[in-house]
Amino acid sequence: DAGVTQSPTHLIKTRGQQVTLRCSPKSGHDTVSWYQQALGQGPQFIFQYYEEEERQRGNFPDRFSGHQFPNYSSELNVNALLLGDSALYLCASYGTGGTDTQYFGPGTRLTVL
Amino acid sequence: GESVGLHLPTLSVQEGDNSIINCAYSNSASDYFIWYKQESGKGPQFIIDIRSNMDKRQGQRVTVLLNKTVKHLSLQIAATQPGDSAVYFCAENKGKAAGNKLTFGGGTRVLVKP
Repeated sequence: DAGVTQSPTHLIKTRGQQVTLRCSPKSGHDTVSWYQQALGQGPQFIFQYYEEEERQRGNFPDRFSGHQFPNYSSELNVNALLLGDSALYLCASYGTGGTDTQYFGPGTRLTVL
Repeated sequence: GESVGLHLPTLSVQEGDNSIINCAYSNSASDYFIWYKQESGKGPQFIIDIRSNMDKRQGQRVTVLLNKTVKHLSLQIAATQPGDSAVYFCAENKGKAAGNKLTFGGGTRVLVKP
């Protein structure tokens, strides 16, 4: 039973560029949330996708957008990258028909130069 | 405002001793609380959770205590092992109505000395 997977593992971009990160939820899960974790801090909620729609959103600008596909996988897009966007981006999933326990992927380390 | 915070940034413990990690929260409107363990270079790993209507819950070598009177949460790890070295986060979940959004504290680093 595969857990939450994310790609790529690491990514280096320059300011102003755009980036797309990918997430496949744990088998049987239909809800995907994205979190940003700055170095030395706890994860911060970006947004959540369910039934291919954004259901909840945290305090992040519109430069952060996402998408969920029919197979429940998800993408996080960040436009006009800033140095402050450098962080570990985590994807978490859970199944609405089961427990509310959210399982995290290994994350994508994004470095903006 | 709402917050989930931790008392100590680093906890150093001797192998075999018990560890206690503390967490304070300020928002009472939460459905349940969760403890996650994060090792270097990895994503947070679920340890144990506790519903807001419970005071105590036990797992394998771990116990979580919830004191709603003083809004305090703790994680106890029995017989701490080198593999327990990691950063531990408490998180608050406000439930399905809020989309099960997790609010994390800043984390406590546990260092296990041999």
